[in-house]
Amino acid sequence: DVKVTQSSRYLVKRTGEKVFLECVQDMDHENMFWYRQDPGLGLRLIYFSYDVKMKEKGDIPEGYSVSREKKERFSLILESASTNQTSMYLCASSLLPTPTDYGYTFGSGTRLTVV
Amino acid sequence: ELKVEQNPLFLSMQEGKNYTIYCNYSTTSDRLYWYRQDPGKSLESLFVLLSNGAVKQEGRLMASLDTKARLSTLHITAAVHDLSATYFCAGDNYQLIWGAGTKLIIKP
Repeated sequence: DVKVTQSSRYLVKRTGEKVFLECVQDMDHENMFWYRQDPGLGLRLIYFSYDVKMKEKGDIPEGYSVSREKKERFSLILESASTNQTSMYLCASSLLPTPTDYGYTFGSGTRLTVV
Repeated sequence: ELKVEQNPLFLSMQEGKNYTIYCNYSTTSDRLYWYRQDPGKSLESLFVLLSNGAVKQEGRLMASLDTKARLSTLHITAAVHDLSATYFCAGDNYQLIWGAGTKLIIKP
C-alpha cells in the first residue's frame, strides 16, 4: 500500500526555534506538497515540488522554506517559528503528469504548537 | 483561474436521511476529487471522477460529475453516524484546487 509518512504527529516548539517537518513517500511520486490547515481557512498550499531540487511557492510561503534533496523526501522548514505558525501541517504526494487519475496521497499530518 | 466552491459548509442531519453536498467550479477541470477528513486526522481519498457523467458509489456515498454544468455532487443515502466528517472536493488545474470543505454532523 502506498504511503506518505510524516515524522511527527505532534510537535511543540518555542518561538524563534528552527523547526523541520519531514515527509517521506515510498511511491516514487514526482510531486510533493506541503499544506497547512486551520479552522475555517481550509487547506492552504505553502510550497510544492515537482522534482528533486525544484520548488515552487504556493499561496502562503512567507516564513517557510523547503528542501527536496531526494525524490522521496520533502522537508518543510520554519526558519524562526512564531505563534501564528501553530497549525496542522499536511504533506501530500502525487504522480506526474497532471491531471492525475489518482489525486493526492496525504500523510497523517503534524500538529505543530509554537509557544 | 480555477476556483472551487462547496455548499453547504456545515450540515447537521439526522440518521436515516438523505442529503447532497454540492461542488461548483469556475473553469474547466479535467478531474474532480472527493476526500474525507475525520477530526484531527488527515485526508482520505474517496472518489476520483474522470469524465463527464461519471458516477461512483461506495456504500452510502455516491459522487457524480457534470462537466458542462461544472458541478459535482456527493450524495449521502440513509445517513449513519459514522459518516460524520468533513468532506472536501477538489478540481485539477496543474495542482489540486480545494473547496473549503463541508462539515457533516449526523445525529443518532
